[in-house]
Amino acid sequence: KAGVTQTPRYLIKTRGQQVTLSCSPISGHRSVSWYQQTPGQGLQFLFEYFSETQRNKGNFPGRFSGRQFSNSRSEMNVSTLELGDSALYLCASRSLAGEQFFGPGTRLTVL
Amino acid sequence: QKEVEQNSGPLSVPEGAIASLNCTYSDRGSQSFFWYRQYSGKSPELIMFIYSNGDKEDGRFTAQLNKASQYVSLLIRDSQPSDSATYLCAVDDNDMRFGAGTRLTVKP
Repeated sequence: KAGVTQTPRYLIKTRGQQVTLSCSPISGHRSVSWYQQTPGQGLQFLFEYFSETQRNKGNFPGRFSGRQFSNSRSEMNVSTLELGDSALYLCASRSLAGEQFFGPGTRLTVL
Repeated sequence: QKEVEQNSGPLSVPEGAIASLNCTYSDRGSQSFFWYRQYSGKSPELIMFIYSNGDKEDGRFTAQLNKASQYVSLLIRDSQPSDSATYLCAVDDNDMRFGAGTRLTVKP
């Protein structure tokens, strides 16, 4: 069974731009979560989607948004990028049993 | 503020020894607990998932959960140099909260 896939793997943007990241969960998984990982703050929860509905949201500004499609694929958008948004963005999909598996991540650099 | 605390390490053990990693959490209502391993430059890899009090074993790994003490641990038996990584504890409280991770080094 294929794992969680994320595209693109690397991205370089400048301040003020916006970015969209994509995630395809493990086949059959309907829950997708997004995380931000930085050296200073560690792994932080952004939001979770289940069956196209946002189920939970972390403590991030409204510039961070997401959505989930009917095929469970998910996208995350960050608008008006700031230098501090440079991070590894991880997507994870969750089985009905509760196990959560991470994708390889998208490394975003904001210049 | 819900907290997940781990010793940042580094924790160093000789090859073949038992490595013991600890995690405490603040929300008494937490239900599910995860241990992940993360190699440098890679994404976290799920090792164990536990939600009942007691021990759960999978190969060389044993997770121990004590909800009364709000404590979850991971034991790695017969540690190998390939186990050298950062180990992340996570607690699921509707939003998944991670500890800062413990860096483990297994010396040959």
